[in-house]
Amino acid sequence: AQSVTQLDSQVPVFEEAPVELRCNYSSSVSVYLFWYVQYPNQGLQLLLKYLSGSTLVKGINGFEAEFNKSQTSFHLRKPSVHISDTAEYFCAVSGPTGMDSSYKLIFGSGTRLLVRP
Amino acid sequence: ETGVTQTPRHLVMGMTNKKSLKCEQHLGHNAMYWYKQSAKKPLELMFVYNFKEQTENNSVPSRFSPECPNSSHLFLHLHTLQPEDSALYLCASSQQGGATDTQYFGPGTRLTVL
Repeated sequence: AQSVTQLDSQVPVFEEAPVELRCNYSSSVSVYLFWYVQYPNQGLQLLLKYLSGSTLVKGINGFEAEFNKSQTSFHLRKPSVHISDTAEYFCAVSGPTGMDSSYKLIFGSGTRLLVRP
Repeated sequence: ETGVTQTPRHLVMGMTNKKSLKCEQHLGHNAMYWYKQSAKKPLELMFVYNFKEQTENNSVPSRFSPECPNSSHLFLHLHTLQPEDSALYLCASSQQGGATDTQYFGPGTRLTVL
């Protein structure tokens, strides 16, 4: 079975500082990992995803994440955050639904990034 | 319109009402999803439809009834809901429902059950 743990429910950080949002996963099948962002009053939007190949994945808005198989982690990083990065961030792993070849996303509980001026 | 749209954006209903949520995707995708997002809880997958066939029912109570008449439209019919059903209901779509698919989300319907 697949599961995702985001240990930090909220991460406060000052503008222009670096940030890391932590994600650990558990999966018994091939690992496909995703980070989504949810801005206030909006749906989720894909930031980046790891499917295979290079363990360092670059996404939109200057975010990147590193897949670490030995530590079963997929932490999200940004070297310098902006006020506009204030949002909820969700890590997710892909897993089968158990029917045909259909798949679903299993989400972590989310981390609220709060960027202060 | 582009992307995934949801109507209504806000809904207040009593426990004896019957209402429906609508989702429409303009991306040519074949898989559609309903999620429930409650405060302080992970996003909960409710239903998955792939090529109009339901492929996942995540132990959702029968007071929630999904309908997928075609690959572009998804409905969630609601009846005799409970106050704990108050939440943000998100619809999403993806190309094939595959393991590597990106899911595209609508803005959600904020449901309040009185």
